Amino acid sequence: NAGVMQNPRHLVRRRGQEARLRCSPMKGHSHVYWYRQLPEEGLKFMVYLQKENIIDESGMPKERFSAEFPKEGPSILRIQQVVRGDSAAYFCASSPPNARLNTEAFFGQGTRLTVV
Amino acid sequence: AQSVSQHNHHVILSEAASLELGCNYSYGGTVNLFWYVQYPGQHLQLLLKYFSGDPLVKGIKGFEAEFIKSKFSFNLRKPSVQWSDTAEYFCAVNDDSGGYNKLIFGAGTRLAVHP
Repeated sequence: NAGVMQNPRHLVRRRGQEARLRCSPMKGHSHVYWYRQLPEEGLKFMVYLQKENIIDESGMPKERFSAEFPKEGPSILRIQQVVRGDSAAYFCASSPPNARLNTEAFFGQGTRLTVV
Repeated sequence: AQSVSQHNHHVILSEAASLELGCNYSYGGTVNLFWYVQYPGQHLQLLLKYFSGDPLVKGIKGFEAEFIKSKFSFNLRKPSVQWSDTAEYFCAVNDDSGGYNKLIFGAGTRLAVHP
């Protein structure tokens, strides 16, 4: 669904640099999920945020990775001191307020991060 | 822990051939099941979903899936594929432990349809 906007679509970083991935959810959506897809693997849940709150970060690596979803502006997934193993496609999904289990999450086109 | 297994990583078919993509999950509780499709260069789109009721679910673009509880399976089918069905297909199950839509995905199946 074109409503979830991720940018950039492609990002190249050298080892040790920082990567910032942005996700603007669909209009009216206040729940954001980040997933990572490593080569030849399925999408893996990373973090679930609501406005100004991290609800579930059980899939986030313990170091170098952080996420936020401020009151104003997009959600940001930040990776510090990137390493080659961080190369992956990062997808964002959003769902409306009061989303229940059976509420569809709408995905963005993803950001493909390449670490050289 | 929940997991989703997709049996075929790559499938090649000719137009008009029938399609069946396998998906098995491991989870003992109530499940919500999904199939997503990702066309080249595009976002993931929901093809269909199962929450309860009729185990045969109809989705968009002529796709359907059947939930077989005894086999822990949710296979995707289409009677006659088209070139435009070339895409990657992901099966997913909802992890309901947190009360929100946290998805566990399979590794995906890349489908190539030749004219």
